[in-house]
Parts: sequence; C-alpha cells; structure tokens
Amino acid sequence: GQNIDQPTEMTATEGAIVQINCTYQTSGFNGLFWYQQHAGEAPTFLSYNVLDGLEEKGRFSSFLSRSKGYSYLLLKELQMKDSASYLCAALDSNYQLIWGAGTKLIIKP
Amino acid sequence: SAVISQKPSRDICQRGTSLTIQCQVDSQVTMMFWYRQQPGQSLTLIATANQGSEATYESGFVIDKFPISRPNLTFSTLTVSNMSPEDSSIYLCSVDFTDTQYFGPGTRLTVL
Repeated sequence: GQNIDQPTEMTATEGAIVQINCTYQTSGFNGLFWYQQHAGEAPTFLSYNVLDGLEEKGRFSSFLSRSKGYSYLLLKELQMKDSASYLCAALDSNYQLIWGAGTKLIIKP
Repeated sequence: SAVISQKPSRDICQRGTSLTIQCQVDSQVTMMFWYRQQPGQSLTLIATANQGSEATYESGFVIDKFPISRPNLTFSTLTVSNMSPEDSSIYLCSVDFTDTQYFGPGTRLTVL
C-alpha cells in the first residue's frame, strides 16, 4: 500500500531551527511536496523535490533521498507565524498526490 | 501561481438538504480536484475533475452523493447531496498548475 509518515506534533523555540521528517512508500514516485497550513486556512505550497539533495528557499529548505524514501523540511530562524501544520505529500506513478497526516508545529517564545 | 476562489466560504445546513460549492480559478487548468478535510486531519481526495470528461471518484466516494460539474477550464462545482452530520467538514478545491497543486480557501460546512 501507499503510505506517508510524519510526526504528529513538534514544539520549537522562536529563533531556533526545526527539522520535520517525512518517510514515504508509494507505487512509483514523481516528486515530494511540502505544504504549510495555518489553522482554518487552505494549504499553501512550500516546496517540491524530485531529485536527491537539498533545495533552499529563504528560511525554508527541503531535502530528498529517493533511495531512502525520505524527506525533511528545515525551518530556520523560527518565527511565531511559522506555527502551523506542515503537510508532506508524495506524487505516485499515476501523478496522484498521497498526503501525510501533517505535523503540527508549535512555536514557543 | 493560480488564484482560486470558492463560494460559499461557510454554511450551516440541515440534514437531508444539498449544498453546491463553486470553485473559480484565474487561469485555464486541465485538472481540478476536490478534497475533504476533517478537523485536525489531513486531506482526503474526493474526486478529480477534468474538463470534458466525467469526474473520477476515489474509493468511498460516489457520484450520487458528490456530483461534480466541470463546464469549462476555469470553473467547477461540487454538490454534497442528502447531507448528514458526518458530512460536516472543510471542502477544498485544488488545481494542478505548472505541475504544482494550489488550493482554494475552502468551504467550511456544518450539517445539523
């Protein structure tokens, strides 16, 4: 079956760094997405990785290892506004997104 | 990116009635998706709607309960029929634009 695993909840301190991990098992693979979702709002696109390695975009970076079925989202210089759920989603061989349950990130001052 | 709007943003409905949710996108897109999200849970795909063809429904979702229209490349509707309290959820429209999915603001539905 197809499966996405990510931690349910994480807590971090304002100004610190946090890494949110995601492992996936899909039938075929065409890339890995990260979305941010604030409470009561729609998900917004953060990043897309299809090749191995690290993609940096400002304070956010995303890493992919296809051989390990593993990705992480790295958030630096955390701000209170980064408190949100972070959704990992893998694109399978049918180009269908398989969604993780999301990681709720709590930022403390 | 694509800009997506949904109407209504929220509604409270009585059991047994139906509600039609509209989704409008500012660009022409081939693929549109309808998702449901229960509180505190991730997204569940209801169906994929391509213009000019019948919608493709995921396991557990049927056309009689969730009829979808896709009359053109910028618009779609999802109807939640014969509603029950279990249908209370957020319904999200999404489009595939330049190989990335973008989401509308969602419709928060409460069924009494």
